[in-house]
Amino acid sequence: GEDVEQSLFLSVREGDSSVINCTYTDSSSTYLYWYKQEPGAGLQLLTYIFSNMDMKQDQRLTVLLNKKDKHLSLRIADTQTGDSAIYFCAESGPSGGGADGLTFGKGTHLIIQP
Amino acid sequence: DVKVTQSSRYLVKRTGEKVFLECVQDMDHENMFWYRQDPGLGLRLIYFSYDVKMKEKGDIPEGYSVSREKKERFSLILESASTNQTSMYLCASSTPDSYNQPQHFGDGTRLSIL
Repeated sequence: GEDVEQSLFLSVREGDSSVINCTYTDSSSTYLYWYKQEPGAGLQLLTYIFSNMDMKQDQRLTVLLNKKDKHLSLRIADTQTGDSAIYFCAESGPSGGGADGLTFGKGTHLIIQP
Repeated sequence: DVKVTQSSRYLVKRTGEKVFLECVQDMDHENMFWYRQDPGLGLRLIYFSYDVKMKEKGDIPEGYSVSREKKERFSLILESASTNQTSMYLCASSTPDSYNQPQHFGDGTRLSIL
């Protein structure tokens, strides 16, 4: 079945860039997503990328997709204390994000050091 | 903005009780989903629904059932709660109108079974 892998922890200094990586196995995925979960809260959609794109930028966020290697990354520029959260990578499968459940990674805890 | 509301943030029940978790969305979305989130396991799909009175099993449906009597409401039912169902439960909704519609999540219900 589909599988999505992420590192469990990432520690960065405030003001540096954070890069969170994700690998997935389903090559037929239509969309790939990044969600953010703050303590005690649900998942907040950060951004997504269509599988025929290789990059998407949205303010401080840059998503890179290497479809050949099935590798997705999320770069957060100028990391702030408010970015401290768990970041989930998710893939949609061939039906697209609306029509089926998503497959999630286990989440990466982003820790910000002063 | 899409609003997905889960009726309780925290819930404590006893083993053997019948437990109802309620989820309501206000965007007329056709698709609704129930996930559980556990440390080290990430999010796992329990059930989803494409339309009123329709339901499909996800990856871990055992011990759960669902009800979709109205389009805006999707209920998760624990027929006879057990301690291994202690978890964070997340509801999500989406529309199949176009493939770039991601899933929107509620804030979660943290359920403890004693």
